[in-house]
Amino acid sequence: QVQLQESGPGLVKPSQTLSLTCSVSGASISSTDYYWSWIRQHPGKGLEWIGYIYYSGSTYYNPSFRSRVAISVDTSKNHFSLKLSSVTAADTGVYFCAASLKGSPKWGALDPWGQGTLVTVSS
Amino acid sequence: DVQMTQSPSTLSASVGDRVTITCRASQTINSWLAWYQQKPGKAPKLLIYKASNLQSGVPSRFSGSGSGTEFTLTISSLQPDDFATYYCQQYDSFSWTFGQGTKVDIK
Repeated sequence: QVQLQESGPGLVKPSQTLSLTCSVSGASISSTDYYWSWIRQHPGKGLEWIGYIYYSGSTYYNPSFRSRVAISVDTSKNHFSLKLSSVTAADTGVYFCAASLKGSPKWGALDPWGQGTLVTVSS
Repeated sequence: DVQMTQSPSTLSASVGDRVTITCRASQTINSWLAWYQQKPGKAPKLLIYKASNLQSGVPSRFSGSGSGTEFTLTISSLQPDDFATYYCQQYDSFSWTFGQGTKVDIK
């Protein structure tokens, strides 16, 4: 089955760029079957969808992030990545990656998820 | 963007209770709604997709209903493992949004 694992720095300085990677196993990142998403959760708060990418490179972003976010795919490493620029303390949170099954009634339902990684923005 | 509003924000219940959580969309989303369960320190778990379809492996005490703008998640008989936070999420458009969550705790 598909499994996802986030990785990246746990501490980022204000104004810098947050960069995270989601490694995919059990499926090819080039598969036409999946959308690959990033979701954020502020400490003790709710879930916030950041955006997703399809294997073709098509991306859709939450308008709240659109000017600062980029999601990309690396087919050689079977992973996808998140870059969030000009971060502030408000970007501190747990970042999850997740998949959804295109072309099915689940097309936008997120499953599976990675375990999440905490990113703190602080000097 | 479609705004999702859950109620209540917190719900206190006992084992064996029937529990209902409501999710309202700011515009019609047809049936493109998912429900998740999240426990502290863990990733969310998909329970229901397309408003009423039970995800494989999820106990049958969970059920979803609704269409258009109003949806419900029902737990028919609350079990100790069900104390958690529940989120709805719409995927009608290419910009997905979550509700703010409902925490189910022990009465």
